[in-house]
Amino acid sequence: QVQLVQSGAEVKRPGSSVKVSCQASGGAFSSYAISWVRQAPGQGPEWMGGIIPLFGSTNYAQKFQGRVTITADESTSTAYLDLKRLRFDDTAIYYCARTQHTGYDRFDYWGQGSLVTVSS
Amino acid sequence: DIQMTQSPSSLSASVGDRVTITCQASRDINNYLNWYQQKPGKAPNLLIYDASTLKTGVPSRFSGSGSGTHFTITINSLQPEDIATYYCQQYDSLPITFGQGTRLEIK
Repeated sequence: QVQLVQSGAEVKRPGSSVKVSCQASGGAFSSYAISWVRQAPGQGPEWMGGIIPLFGSTNYAQKFQGRVTITADESTSTAYLDLKRLRFDDTAIYYCARTQHTGYDRFDYWGQGSLVTVSS
Repeated sequence: DIQMTQSPSSLSASVGDRVTITCQASRDINNYLNWYQQKPGKAPNLLIYDASTLKTGVPSRFSGSGSGTHFTITINSLQPEDIATYYCQQYDSLPITFGQGTRLEIK
């Protein structure tokens, strides 16, 4: 059974950076697209971008271009989200989510979420 | 970006009722539409993909339909465990986008 286990909660200052990890187990890692989806309090999910480790290719939502970097370490089956220049409205739960294909379609598996709080 | 608009934003129904939630896309997305259920404190859970295909293990009282720009998810005979927020999600083109959600409550 595929499991995605994320790193713990973080409290960050405005202007700083945060790096969230997502370790996969129970299935092939490189072949499937992994996305990062965030959810602000009381809001719907928001796709930030993703990576296909097999190809090393990334896609980002325009909204986050220049602030976000998604990487993957195939040796540890871990994906990372690096978000820079944090703002108050970046406070959200950040989820990693995986498809069962090399493209971005449906999210069959989700991590448990990592709460990032931006506070002064 | 493709905008996904759900209606209603909230819904109150009784156990045993038939419930329908609508999702409208800002342009034709073929059938590249998924539905998720999210309970408080949990990640979204995939229910239906490709507009009408039920994920394995999801109760048959759930069904999805639609194509192009108009989609629906229907729950036949609402059960107490169906209380949650429901989201649609398109994957016709990047960025992937979600609806704003429909909160379902028991009357």
